[in-house]
Amino acid sequence: KAGVTQTPRYLIKTRGQQVTLSCSPISGHRSVSWYQQTPGQGLQFLFEYFSETQRNKGNFPGRFSGRQFSNSRSEMNVSTLELGDSALYLCASSLSLGALFFGEGSRLTVL
Amino acid sequence: AQKITQTQPGMFVQEKEAVTLDCTYDTSDQSYGLFWYKQPSSGEMIFLIYQGSYDEQNATEGRYSLNFQKARKSANLVISASQLGDSAMYFCAMRRGTGTASKLTFGTGTRLQVTL
Repeated sequence: KAGVTQTPRYLIKTRGQQVTLSCSPISGHRSVSWYQQTPGQGLQFLFEYFSETQRNKGNFPGRFSGRQFSNSRSEMNVSTLELGDSALYLCASSLSLGALFFGEGSRLTVL
Repeated sequence: AQKITQTQPGMFVQEKEAVTLDCTYDTSDQSYGLFWYKQPSSGEMIFLIYQGSYDEQNATEGRYSLNFQKARKSANLVISASQLGDSAMYFCAMRRGTGTASKLTFGTGTRLQVTL
């Protein structure tokens, strides 16, 4: 069974640009969530989608947004990038209240 | 608010020995779930073990067991017979029982180094 797939794995952007990250969940999983991991703040919840609807949102500015498609694939977008947005962005999928299974992450560097 | 505390920033253990990674949590909820994840240098978070707040028996998964002491609000991970491949960051996490299926609160992690 294929795991959670995130693309791209690595990317470099400059301040002010925007970025879109993609996540394909495990087949059959309808819940997709996103986390940001930084050395200073650790792992922080960004948002969760279930059946194309945002079910939960963390404490991040409106520059961070996401969506989920009918095939459960999800994208997150960060606009007007800041240096502090440099992080590992992890996507996870799950079945209802089951364990979360994470992808390898997208490592974003903002210069 | 929920909080996870991992007080050991780093741990060393010799190969084939057992090691305990500490995790305490704070919540006013009656229903919650506790997780342990392993994060190697590649970045992927690997699910290890889960314990529900109403589970009376400690969870076990192969060489991993979770020492759940509800009254003390602790959920320590025990790794038996450590292997070199166990070297990684380990995170304890908690989820509220209902309505927030994918929102985990993570601890700061413990870096485990397995030596020969």
